[in-house]
Amino acid sequence: GAGVSQTPSNKVTEKGKYVELRCDPISGHTALYWYRQSLGQGPEFLIYFQGTGAADDSGLPNDRFFAVRPEGSVSTLKIQRTERGDSAVYLCASSWSNTGELFFGEGSRLTVL
Amino acid sequence: AQSVTQLDSQVPVFEEAPVELRCNYSSSVSVYLFWYVQYPNQGLQLLLKYLSGSTLVKGINGFEAEFNKSQTSFHLRKPSVHISDTAEYFCAVSFSGGSNYKLTFGKGTLLTVNP
Repeated sequence: GAGVSQTPSNKVTEKGKYVELRCDPISGHTALYWYRQSLGQGPEFLIYFQGTGAADDSGLPNDRFFAVRPEGSVSTLKIQRTERGDSAVYLCASSWSNTGELFFGEGSRLTVL
Repeated sequence: AQSVTQLDSQVPVFEEAPVELRCNYSSSVSVYLFWYVQYPNQGLQLLLKYLSGSTLVKGINGFEAEFNKSQTSFHLRKPSVHISDTAEYFCAVSFSGGSNYKLTFGKGTLLTVNP
């Protein structure tokens, strides 16, 4: 597609379960970012990929969170042992270059019951 | 500490009125500045950006912003708003001084344009 695609758009899970959120960036974009947006807040940086490698994962809140981008295109954000505090909208963005002009997907809304 | 502050969480205005959405930042390094807009049920979209050069930046949909280094501000303005401008607006700053991939966002300002 033409834009950044994120699936699922909505995910409801129970506390303690494992979830995966997928991001399909714009074709050819080498940089990919994950952000998290809690209610009433702006997006918060989680992790940045340049190609296949995580160039900066300093925003991941703890070791329950992990992200991969094995072929330099699609990325998966993985959350283990989910907690109610993980409930948020997870945003993925991609870009051609390091100019801050990020193209965002519509997000995956995660609700942990 | 590096931070981004959007001074107004909500701004209601009437159609065709001018509007200013305020953004201030705190930084000891050079910055790149951005405004993003989020329409209901849509993803974030870049409105405009300041990387260097002229401090007055024009963006899409008639919006503009001015970078004021001495006041560390990057306020967003539009001389006449439309109903369709109703959305959440986010100011974002790259503090990376060149490796500008990591954006710090403000909390957002909800602009509501009333008829």
